[in-house]
Amino acid sequence: EVKLVESGGGLVQPGRSLKLSCAASGFSFNDYWMGWVRQAPGKGLEWIGEINQDSSTINYTPSLKDKFTISRDNAQNTLYLQMSKLGSEDTAIYYCARIGVTPMDAWGQGASVTVSS
Amino acid sequence: DIQMTQSPSVLSASVGDRVTLNCKASQNINKYLNWYQQKLGEAPKLLIYNTNNLQTGIPSRFSGSGSGTDYTLTISSLQPEDVATYFCFQHNSWPTFGSGTKLEIK
Repeated sequence: EVKLVESGGGLVQPGRSLKLSCAASGFSFNDYWMGWVRQAPGKGLEWIGEINQDSSTINYTPSLKDKFTISRDNAQNTLYLQMSKLGSEDTAIYYCARIGVTPMDAWGQGASVTVSS
Repeated sequence: DIQMTQSPSVLSASVGDRVTLNCKASQNINKYLNWYQQKLGEAPKLLIYNTNNLQTGIPSRFSGSGSGTDYTLTISSLQPEDVATYFCFQHNSWPTFGSGTKLEIK
């Protein structure tokens, strides 16, 4: 069974940083592109970015490129999202997703991030 | 960026009804259109990919169609468990989502 489990969310003060993790299991992690999506409270979904199998290609939504860094550790079957200079607009649920034959054919349960003083 | 417009934003229908949800792209997306279902408090789930391909394990009452800029998700016979918000998503170019259609039971 394909499983993606995010962790690392929580309450963070404005201007601080936070790193999310996504542990993958049930498939060959290093064969897949992976991505991150977020959903602000009561809002729609926003694509954050994606990373290829060997981390040689990483693409970001332009508006988030200076704040977020996607990385992966294939030995640990783990995807990461490093977030910096956080503001209230970054309050959201953050989902990791597998990019298989099509984007987001599997999703994690999400990690909640609240940016507030 | 390609803008995705979904209609209606809220749809109320009865159990057993045939339901149609619409998604319009601001430019041709060459059928690179997915549909996701998100139930309250849950992560989204892939239903349909590349316009009309049913994801494994999804009931056959769900189907998709369309081309160019206009796409449709159809539920042939609405079931109570279909209550959810449905998002369209294009991946022809930099990925973007529609704003969603909330489906309710009358």
